[in-house]
Amino acid sequence: ETGVTQTPRHLVMGMTNKKSLKCEQHLGHNAMYWYKQSAKKPLELMFVYSLEERVENNSVPSRFSPECPNSSHLFLHLHTLQPEDSALYLCASSQDSPLGPRETQYFGPGTRLLVL
Amino acid sequence: DQQVKQNSPSLSVQEGRISILNCDYTNSMFDYFLWYKKYPAEGPTFLISISSIKDKNEDGRFTVFLNKSAKHLSLHIVPSQPGDSAVYFCAASAYSLSGGYNKLIFGAGTRLAVHP
Repeated sequence: ETGVTQTPRHLVMGMTNKKSLKCEQHLGHNAMYWYKQSAKKPLELMFVYSLEERVENNSVPSRFSPECPNSSHLFLHLHTLQPEDSALYLCASSQDSPLGPRETQYFGPGTRLLVL
Repeated sequence: DQQVKQNSPSLSVQEGRISILNCDYTNSMFDYFLWYKKYPAEGPTFLISISSIKDKNEDGRFTVFLNKSAKHLSLHIVPSQPGDSAVYFCAASAYSLSGGYNKLIFGAGTRLAVHP
């Protein structure tokens, strides 16, 4: 069983399109994350949801809009993107507790996005 | 300003020899460090971690060393195998009290090639 799945795996869109990326975790975790990975750059944290509440919005432009309807699903809605937004978008999940042992984040395979 | 740096973008090692991947960090608040491995077309997968209260953690062929005074950690793989060829990301973690989650800051990665 794959712990974290992402769809679609590849996406090509024009700058005027609206699309959504989907992430689903089957691990029973309580936190979910969106990261962006551009070529030869570190993974950049975009959004964090903890117990379905957004707890971090890392100065991400409003053309990226996250949604977390429940603890297993996370969406990233895209609209009027720019070519520089082309990147690999990774979803991750973890089971976090301030008092418990530190848990690692588990990543999905990513969505390779190309904006034309 | 990058808080986690992997200064070697690539490393080539012969099969059977030791691979040493290095990582430096600047923020003394980081208290947990992780290494992730990433194959093409897959998301990063957790490899090994170390808490700041330790200076060494070993798991099979993989050992992570932490030098807190130098703010430096390294991953040793011995013996290296062709299947170890991948991009290795160093990550540092600190618990976000305001957000209630473990924030990971990633390095840019080092591409390891193990050749026969």
